[in-house]
Amino acid sequence: GDSVTQMEGPVTLSEEAFLTINCTYTATGYPSLFWYVQYPGEGLQLLLKATKADDKGSNKGFEATYRKETTSFHLEKGSVQVSDSAVYFCALSQYGNNRLAFGKGNQVVVIP
Amino acid sequence: GAGVSQTPSNKVTEKGKYVELRCDPISGHTALYWYRQSLGQGPEFLIYFQGTGAADDSGLPNDRFFAVRPEGSVSTLKIQRTERGDSAVYLCASSPRVSDEQFFGPGTRLTVL
Repeated sequence: GDSVTQMEGPVTLSEEAFLTINCTYTATGYPSLFWYVQYPGEGLQLLLKATKADDKGSNKGFEATYRKETTSFHLEKGSVQVSDSAVYFCALSQYGNNRLAFGKGNQVVVIP
Repeated sequence: GAGVSQTPSNKVTEKGKYVELRCDPISGHTALYWYRQSLGQGPEFLIYFQGTGAADDSGLPNDRFFAVRPEGSVSTLKIQRTERGDSAVYLCASSPRVSDEQFFGPGTRLTVL
C-alpha cells in the first residue's frame, strides 16, 4: 500500500539556521503530497502541498518540490525562527480518494 | 469562524468498556474523516464520510470500531470492548468536499487502563 517515510529522530537547530526534513514516498500512480504542521497545543494544519511532479509548494518561508524521479518531497526553510518549533508530518493522498497517509513526523526544536 | 471541535478532550476508561467520541465538523463541510494517532506515530486513517454515508471504512481495525454520521454533520466514533491497544489520540477532520483541504480538530486522547 501507499506509505510515507520521514527521516528518523528530532531535529534541533539554532535560530536562522537552514532546515531540511527528508520525506520519501511509495505509491502507485501520481499522488498528491502534503506537509502538515502541529504547533504545541494545537491541531494539525496544512503547511503546503503539491499535486503533480515538479510542482513546488510554498508557505511561510517553507518550500517542498515534488520529485517523481526520486519519489521525494523534502521540506526546506532557509532561516528558521523559534516560532517554527513544531512537529512536521509528510503525507500523501491518491486522486479520487482523499484519505491521507502520514509519515511518523519530525519534532523540530529551534533554539534562540 | 468555529473550527472542528471534538469532545471529550480526554477520556479514561477501563478495559472492556464502551466509549463514544464526538466530532463537530465545520458548518457546511460535507466530508468528515477519522484518524488515530498512536504515540510517536503519524495519524492513521480510519474512516471517512461523504454526507451521511461512510464512503471508505477500510481503515477501521476490527469490528469493535464503528462510526456514524446520521444527519450529515456531527459524527460519533464508537468503540466496543475497549482494549489497552486502543489508547491513542483520535483525530477528526472535515473538508468542504472530498477533494478539498482537510481541517483537523484538536483530538480526543483515549486512555484504556
